[in-house]
Amino acid sequence: KNQVEQSPQSLIILEGKNCTLQCNYTVSPFSNLRWYKQDTGRGPVSLTIMTFSENTKSNGRYTATLDADTKQSSLHITASQLSDSASYICVVSDRGSTLGRLYFGRGTQLTVWP
Amino acid sequence: EADIYQTPRYLVIGTGKKITLECSQTMGHDKMYWYQQDPGMELHLIHYSYGVNSTEKGDLSSESTVSRIRTEHFPLTLESARPSHTSQYLCASSELDSSYEQYFGPGTRLTVT
Repeated sequence: KNQVEQSPQSLIILEGKNCTLQCNYTVSPFSNLRWYKQDTGRGPVSLTIMTFSENTKSNGRYTATLDADTKQSSLHITASQLSDSASYICVVSDRGSTLGRLYFGRGTQLTVWP
Repeated sequence: EADIYQTPRYLVIGTGKKITLECSQTMGHDKMYWYQQDPGMELHLIHYSYGVNSTEKGDLSSESTVSRIRTEHFPLTLESARPSHTSQYLCASSELDSSYEQYFGPGTRLTVT
């Protein structure tokens, strides 16, 4: 069964600290993996998208890694800010075609305290 | 910020009413989607479209219907709202190939009393 599991479910950190969020997936075949940031009451916004051949990708203070062999990904946030408080969703696409579909994780709810 | 819009942002309505949630995008994307999301849960695909006059049901069964008469417009309709329809509804669009980015609207928070 194609699944995307994220951990931890929730996380609280102090402003300025770093954190790492985890994503494990069983989706096959694999096309790409995305990390989205979703603020409360808003739609998800893309942070990174990685294909099979990419094992790291950065977007400002966000760095995503991908290990396609172990089917694991992580999202590292550096020097956290209050505005980083949001849900971070891992999404895996099963094929790069019009027939491809996305599998969503439940997200990690990150809270950054001052 | 993606050019995809949803109205209304919030809607509180009584049981039995007919409602239409609007979604428009200005990116010329062929593929559009509707997702349903409950608090703390993953997004569930309820409808999608490959282009004008194309509509398909998603993974999660829904009593809603959709139409795609124009490329930029993908409204969702509930003929008779029920409390079980209370949820957040997210519209998205993308190029036809699923490798490409999917852009989400801000969502509509629907409450049926």
